Amino acid sequence: DTGVSQDPRHKITKRGQNVTFRCDPISEHNRLYWYRQTLGQGPEFLTYFQNEAQLEKSRLLSDRFSAERPKGSFSTLEIQRTEQGDSAMYLCASSPSRQLAKNIQYFGAGTRLSVL
Amino acid sequence: KQEVTQIPAALSVPEGENLVLNCSFTDSAIYNLQWFRQDPGKGLTSLLLIQSSQREQTSGRLNASLDKSSGRSTLYIAASQPGDSATYLCAGGMDSSYKLIFGSGTRLLVRP
Repeated sequence: DTGVSQDPRHKITKRGQNVTFRCDPISEHNRLYWYRQTLGQGPEFLTYFQNEAQLEKSRLLSDRFSAERPKGSFSTLEIQRTEQGDSAMYLCASSPSRQLAKNIQYFGAGTRLSVL
Repeated sequence: KQEVTQIPAALSVPEGENLVLNCSFTDSAIYNLQWFRQDPGKGLTSLLLIQSSQREQTSGRLNASLDKSSGRSTLYIAASQPGDSATYLCAGGMDSSYKLIFGSGTRLLVRP
C-alpha cells in the first residue's frame, strides 16, 4: 500500500493519559499535515511540516499537543493529559513539494481517539 | 477568519436523481477549491480540484464549478446511485498557506 498510513486506527484511553499517534506519508512526499475532525464537522487544520521543519501551527494546537517529524519522514502527534474534548478523528495528509496544483493533499484513514 | 459553509447539511434522494451540493466561502483569497468524499469512519478521498483560474472541472458523473466573485462552488452529481451515499466536503486552499479550510460537509443518502 503506497498511501498515507496512520497507526493506530482506534485508540481508547482514560482522561489524563498521554497518547501518541503515528503517520507515515506517501514515500517522497516532503509535506505532512495533521487535522482534527469532530463528529459532524469538517476537518480542522492543526499543523504542517515541510521535511522536518514545523512551519505552521493552529491555535487549536494547545500546549498539551506536540507534533514531530524528526527525520522528515514519518510524524508523531502526542496529546498529553488527554481530556474528553480531545475525542475526535485525527487525520494525517501528505503532499509532494512539486505538484501541478498547490494544496493537493492525500489523506490517511485517520486515528479515532475516544477519551473516557 | 476564513469560513467555508456547506448547504444542505443532509440530503436524501431516490436513485437516479441529479443533485447539487453547495459550498460558499467568505475569503476571496482562496486559491483553489476541492471537493472530497468521506465514507463513515474513513479518511478523505479527493474528487475534484478547481484552480482559481478555472470555472469548472468534470470527472465522470461529477461536475464542480467555482465562482470566486460570489464565493460559491457547486458539486453536481448526475444520475445518483446508492454507492454515492457518503459525506461530501468542500475545502478551500489559501494562497498564503498550505492548509485547507473545510466546510462541515453534506451527508448524502441515495435510496435504492
